[in-house]
Amino acid sequence: NAGVTQTPKFQVLKTGQSMTLQCAQDMNHEYMSWYRQDPGMGLRLIHYSVGAGITDQGEVPNGYNVSRSTTEDFPLRLLSAAPSQTSVYFCASRFASGVESGGYTFGSGTRLTVV
Amino acid sequence: ILNVEQSPQSLHVQEGDSTNFTCSFPSSNFYALHWYRWETAKSPEALFVMTLNGDEKKKGRISATLNTKEGYSYLYIKGSQPEDSATYLCANDGRYGNKLVFGAGTILRVKS
Repeated sequence: NAGVTQTPKFQVLKTGQSMTLQCAQDMNHEYMSWYRQDPGMGLRLIHYSVGAGITDQGEVPNGYNVSRSTTEDFPLRLLSAAPSQTSVYFCASRFASGVESGGYTFGSGTRLTVV
Repeated sequence: ILNVEQSPQSLHVQEGDSTNFTCSFPSSNFYALHWYRWETAKSPEALFVMTLNGDEKKKGRISATLNTKEGYSYLYIKGSQPEDSATYLCANDGRYGNKLVFGAGTILRVKS
């Protein structure tokens, strides 16, 4: 099915552990982004990419790394998990900029708890 | 920073009421304005993407307008229904259209 697939859906980490949140889309979208959602703060942009090999920082990049080796995949790495990274993470993609591309398509989210 | 402000923070209306929300953004740093609808336990879904000053978009009972010169957009819902209950998010696409930054959202609850 076409769309944005995020794995895992739920994860519990211990402080200091590392992990990778996976995001894949099969719509040939160039633009991909990672957001975190915290109560009362809406969606905050972590990192984004406008194509394979091109990434940039968003509003809250500290503690996270990304890479974009293919158009389809945009993994988010937590280097050393901290309780402040407890959140729900959303991946989103879009064909390109411009009205004709429509809005972003979002994945179903990954709920991460760091203890 | 693409500060996006939304008001009100939350809204409770009766079924059949019409309602509207406001989204403000810096007019000097603008490419496109997005509106999304986010139901509980689901993912955000795109409603509208607007770029031109004076743009007006409509989808069923929901419509949106855009004023890029003064930096605001309104979202209108005519005859609210309980199924319209959701968080409505607006977002600014930035100067180059590649970096979508969201406001905190307006939570709408429609009572039957």
